[in-house]
Amino acid sequence: DQQVKQNSPSLSVQEGRISILNCDYTNSMFDYFLWYKKYPAEGPTFLISISSIKDKNEDGRFTVFLNKSAKHLSLHIVPSQPGDSAVYFCAALVSGGYQKVTFGIGTKLQVIP
Amino acid sequence: GAVVSQHPSRVICKSGTSVKIECRSLDFQATTMFWYRQFPKQSLMLMATSNEGSKATYEQGVEKDKFLINHASLTLSTLTVTSAHPEDSSFYICSARTRTGGGSPLHFGNGTRLTVT
Repeated sequence: DQQVKQNSPSLSVQEGRISILNCDYTNSMFDYFLWYKKYPAEGPTFLISISSIKDKNEDGRFTVFLNKSAKHLSLHIVPSQPGDSAVYFCAALVSGGYQKVTFGIGTKLQVIP
Repeated sequence: GAVVSQHPSRVICKSGTSVKIECRSLDFQATTMFWYRQFPKQSLMLMATSNEGSKATYEQGVEKDKFLINHASLTLSTLTVTSAHPEDSSFYICSARTRTGGGSPLHFGNGTRLTVT
């Protein structure tokens, strides 16, 4: 049972345009969401997070939107740069207690120069 | 920022041997460390959670006698794959969090690619 779903395995975007990566979750107990970026042969790097009490969080070129009623979140990157090409993992957790982080399968983003 | 060092980055071993992977937090004390495993085209799967000075908590389906985890200090956790088999070949990644409570981001090591021949 995959509680965090990233249905698009890959995405190609032209440099300078917007990249939108989507993520859905099924566990209504999740109240904190994170995005990680991963280059080949490296561990994931934290990008941005959002608490369930918010519907938007912005950090430079990266914005995460959360729609709790739809159990959906998205990561917007604008403008996209070739260095953004990587695998992006959506993750979620229940912030109290055990705090196990559940990851999606990842979306491979390619930004074309 | 917080740095997690994982060693080795790549290891090849023969079936039946044991392999130890180290995970160190270099500039912070990690009260909790996590070990993940990633198969090709799959997500990061949590194997176990280790808290400094206590026994690790294993996820369902993970054999604790096969994947030995030790978290003897606030800066070091080790994962030992005992009696390795080819199906244990995978990418193992450790991560650490500095405090419990809230949504502190995890800090990941660079992973270890294990190949069992």
